Amino acid sequence: DAGVIQSPRHEVTEMGQEVTLRCKPISGHNSLFWYRQTMMRGLELLIYFNNNVPIDDSGMPEDRFSAKMPNASFSTLKIQPSEPRDSAVYFCASSWTRDYEQYFGPGTRLTVT
Amino acid sequence: KNQVEQSPQSLIILEGKNCTLQCNYTVSPFSNLRWYKQDTGRGPVSLTIMTFSENTKSNGRYTATLDADTKQSSLHITASQLSDSASYICVVSAKAAGNMLTFGGGTRLMVKP
Repeated sequence: DAGVIQSPRHEVTEMGQEVTLRCKPISGHNSLFWYRQTMMRGLELLIYFNNNVPIDDSGMPEDRFSAKMPNASFSTLKIQPSEPRDSAVYFCASSWTRDYEQYFGPGTRLTVT
Repeated sequence: KNQVEQSPQSLIILEGKNCTLQCNYTVSPFSNLRWYKQDTGRGPVSLTIMTFSENTKSNGRYTATLDADTKQSSLHITASQLSDSASYICVVSAKAAGNMLTFGGGTRLMVKP
């Protein structure tokens, strides 16, 4: 298996633009997590899906952020409109269940100017 | 409020030496505790997951301990190698309907030749 796949690896956009980050979890995993990491705040859980259903989105910063998982092999994290303070590395991770080992993707480095 | 505190924030050791990283938490009710290793520019990689009943768990040269009474965990690295240079993140999971993960700020370890 190729592991968790994220795209793009790097994204530079201007403030106000829409940004869509993509994730393909490991086949067979039914839990998917989106994280954000910054120097100031460290690693933060944004949202957690189980069997394609959002279970906990309490970490989503505000309404500008939305996440979907239309099927077991694909998820998106969208920011609209983007702001400079959204600049961070966004990780996607998947696991068999919530309490099993999570496998992280390589991350998407987002820069909003 | 659930919190995870890690110490030290950063550490420099010589290759071949041992070191111990600390993690104190106030997460309740406790489900499990995880240690992750994160190389610069990459996603975190799981080292160990420990449940309430586990006192110690090893993964090669990495040994994690858990004292659920004092709510403390440690990660001991034996015979350090240059490749151990990374950030080590302690994450504690709470038993909850959702997925309550609380992250420590990490310890940045540098192993010098």
